[in-house]
Amino acid sequence: EAQVTQNPRYLITVTGKKLTVTCSQNMNHEYMSWYRQDPGLGLRQIYYSMNVEVTDKGDVPEGYKVSRKEKRNFPLILESPSPNQTSLYFCASSFNRQGNNSPLHFGNGTRLTVT
Amino acid sequence: AQSVTQLDSQVPVFEEAPVELRCNYSSSVSVYLFWYVQYPNQGLQLLLKYLSGSTLVKSINGFEAEFNKSQTSFHLRKPSVHISDTAEYFCAVSPIQGYSTLTFGKGTMLLVSP
Repeated sequence: EAQVTQNPRYLITVTGKKLTVTCSQNMNHEYMSWYRQDPGLGLRQIYYSMNVEVTDKGDVPEGYKVSRKEKRNFPLILESPSPNQTSLYFCASSFNRQGNNSPLHFGNGTRLTVT
Repeated sequence: AQSVTQLDSQVPVFEEAPVELRCNYSSSVSVYLFWYVQYPNQGLQLLLKYLSGSTLVKSINGFEAEFNKSQTSFHLRKPSVHISDTAEYFCAVSPIQGYSTLTFGKGTMLLVSP
């Protein structure tokens, strides 16, 4: 089954404790992206990757890191989480980097709480 | 750069009533248009898209949207909603040429009650 898998689904952590949210896709997609979803703000892009070893900042990259060492994986790293990073996070992928010829496929989300 | 405006953050409606979710966009270039749906506790799924051709596009579950270039709109409609249509709906745009990522609106929560 074609899918984007994020782990964990739920995560509660404390300020300053490094964490990684994993994302993996099995569709051989070139393009992958991370979004955060907050009430009243919709989805905001954090980072994206057009291919292996190619990453770039989205609209809200501060406090986040990513890596794309393999085509299928695109982990999101919070080196020193803060309470304002409490949010619902989505990973997404598509064959085409603009998503205009194929849809974005989303994971089921990771709800992160930073206390 | 593109922007997307979904004026209604929440739309309550009774089952079997018609509904329209509004989407307006701003862009200096031609764009592709999308509607995504997010059911509770799930990620977003593509509902329908306009790439070219007929300005009226339809989904398999009865939704349709019409691209209106002069009004820069891409409103989503359904003539008769079901309880199961309760979800959040996101409008999004992407430029046809050049590189840019998808730009989402802030979403409209459709609440269908019996």
